[in-house]
Amino acid sequence: DSGVTQTPKHLITATGQRVTLRCSPRSGDLSVYWYQQSLDQGLQFLIQYYNGEERAKGNILERFSAQQFPDLHSELNLSSLELGDSALYFCASSVGQGAHQPQHFGDGTRLSIL
Amino acid sequence: AQTVTQSQPEMSVQEAETVTLSCTYDTSESDYYLFWYKQPPSRQMILVIRQEAYKQQNATENRFSVNFQKAAKSFSLKISDSQLGDAAMYFCAYRKTSYDKVIFGPGTSLSVIP
Repeated sequence: DSGVTQTPKHLITATGQRVTLRCSPRSGDLSVYWYQQSLDQGLQFLIQYYNGEERAKGNILERFSAQQFPDLHSELNLSSLELGDSALYFCASSVGQGAHQPQHFGDGTRLSIL
Repeated sequence: AQTVTQSQPEMSVQEAETVTLSCTYDTSESDYYLFWYKQPPSRQMILVIRQEAYKQQNATENRFSVNFQKAAKSFSLKISDSQLGDAAMYFCAYRKTSYDKVIFGPGTSLSVIP
């Protein structure tokens, strides 16, 4: 158990809909990362937050947004969903913001778009 | 742009033997971080080992070690005394600084033969 909690574990929805994925980091971790893993795109870094502030941005679509709240949990919002958004979405956390910091991953949210 | 390449989509090793997974990357930076992550069938991502580019000494974690060749931009992972639990997808990853995105390779699927 990594200590990182992601909910829900599975999500099935339709094209055009909007969903919210939630992540609770390990106790004491201030950084939260979001990743997307799909068959055609592989593992992609989406975004990182540190103590509520956006720190690094990757290949995150404009239809996607994220935020980290004062209690350090984070949410990834996906809107106008397309079939290609079907993927496993991981959240990870680390103590600090440094690039060398080991990241602890949650079990992921499996998103299926019908 | 930085890229990470893993030229071996699949590899296999006999139990108790040694296997080396290859990773090459492209960057013009002199300081950065490299990682190997393991993703077993359970899908959870686990950090195996990390290397800081400014450190010449190769990182080692128990049965896992790396061969870091900075000039050749090569970062291979050696697994000694392979165990059945080592069967997984292995991802090589690169990150320049904490303000930059994490870049993953396509992964190598490792099978361990009893």
